[in-house]
Amino acid sequence: AQSVTQPDIHITVSEGASLELRCNYSYGATPYLFWYVQSPGQGLQLLLKYFSGDTLVQGIKGFEAEFKRSQSSFNLRKPSVHWSDAAEYFCAVGAGGDNTDKLIFGTGTRLQVFP
Amino acid sequence: GAGVSQTPSNKVTEKGKYVELRCDPISGHTALYWYRQSLGQGPEFLIYFQGTGAADDSGLPNDRFFAVRPEGSVSTLKIQRTERGDSAVYLCASSLISGSLETQYFGPGTRLLVL
Repeated sequence: AQSVTQPDIHITVSEGASLELRCNYSYGATPYLFWYVQSPGQGLQLLLKYFSGDTLVQGIKGFEAEFKRSQSSFNLRKPSVHWSDAAEYFCAVGAGGDNTDKLIFGTGTRLQVFP
Repeated sequence: GAGVSQTPSNKVTEKGKYVELRCDPISGHTALYWYRQSLGQGPEFLIYFQGTGAADDSGLPNDRFFAVRPEGSVSTLKIQRTERGDSAVYLCASSLISGSLETQYFGPGTRLLVL
């Protein structure tokens, strides 16, 4: 069965510092991978997605993620964090290969940014 | 244009009562998804519709949960004989067409509290 693991429940960084949020997935075929951000009172917003091709994916708000098949990982990165990036981040895998369009989410990583 | 909207934003009910949660997808979106997010967890898939029909309802926890989308637009999630364990944020998402390649756009959710 497909699954997503986000090992870090909570991460704290200083504004301007670099950021990497970890995501590991379990899926038999080539996965469809997503990163969403959830700010308080806001709906989930898509940051970026990977389906195929270039393994380094650029997203909105200066985020990028790299797909590494050998490590079953899809880590999210940002070179310089802004205070407005404080939010909950969710990695998800799409199970389209099983003829279903549902997303399977990890448990999330809460990002706190100090000035 | 308008995003996905959900009503009510908050719902408090008593154990054993019946509740209905409404989702208005983005205009023109044919696929609609329901997820449930418990405290400290990632969203968990419940059901998705392609048009009026439920294409995958494998995530519904039991027969107390039911969802409809009679005209292929607005959807209602219905919960009978609510239990305290049903307390969660219920998220709705829509996409232009079905398929894991399509971006799912999420609403702000309905926070359900069962006393």
